[in-house]
Amino acid sequence: LAKTTQPISMDSYEGQEVNITCSHNNIATNDYITWYQQFPSQGPRFIIQGYKTKVTNEVASLFIPADRKSSTLSLPRVSLSDTAVYYCLVGDPPTGFQKLVFGTGTRLLVSP
Amino acid sequence: EAQVTQNPRYLITVTGKKLTVTCSQNMNHEYMSWYRQDPGLGLRQIYYSMNVEVTDKGDVPEGYKVSRKEKRNFPLILESPSPNQTSLYFCASSSPVIQEEKNTEAFFGQGTRLTVV
Repeated sequence: LAKTTQPISMDSYEGQEVNITCSHNNIATNDYITWYQQFPSQGPRFIIQGYKTKVTNEVASLFIPADRKSSTLSLPRVSLSDTAVYYCLVGDPPTGFQKLVFGTGTRLLVSP
Repeated sequence: EAQVTQNPRYLITVTGKKLTVTCSQNMNHEYMSWYRQDPGLGLRQIYYSMNVEVTDKGDVPEGYKVSRKEKRNFPLILESPSPNQTSLYFCASSSPVIQEEKNTEAFFGQGTRLTVV
């Protein structure tokens, strides 16, 4: 499974757009990129998943450049409730997702 | 509602007293796994199961046992708990196949906070 590197923490204010970048230089051809969100004392929750280019859903966007060695999770207009830890994971869903490897994640703090 | 259910949510026990934390999922997922989360160490996988009767060690399996006799259940067993197993435990399930228009995501339980004294 490819190793990922993310910033340890980020600060933002309500209403701003937040971009969290994840580096995964050793990503394999079959690997997908998935982001999870975790609130204190709760289990991680799936946010978004993608393979290339751009993926958007109702809560976030995921930007993946052509070389796929990094990805950026974009949270539009964050609110206080977006304060959480965000994890970037890389793996091959059919064979690798049974063994999710969580790094230390990025702790996002949203202030008023 | 799709969910992973863990029980109990909180447990305080004494060293050496066998305990079981149950995990059940209602999504017919093949994959199930257990994680522990400790401050500064993130989430670490204990054991995982790819299907009924198929289990394998994760990164920190020492002191734990699991069984997968039914697809929906994946209990975590601590035969002789010790204080260093005090932690927050999560069970997760997922499906191995990417289907068009459907993400491959893992669903996590609410967590079990275990204290061993």
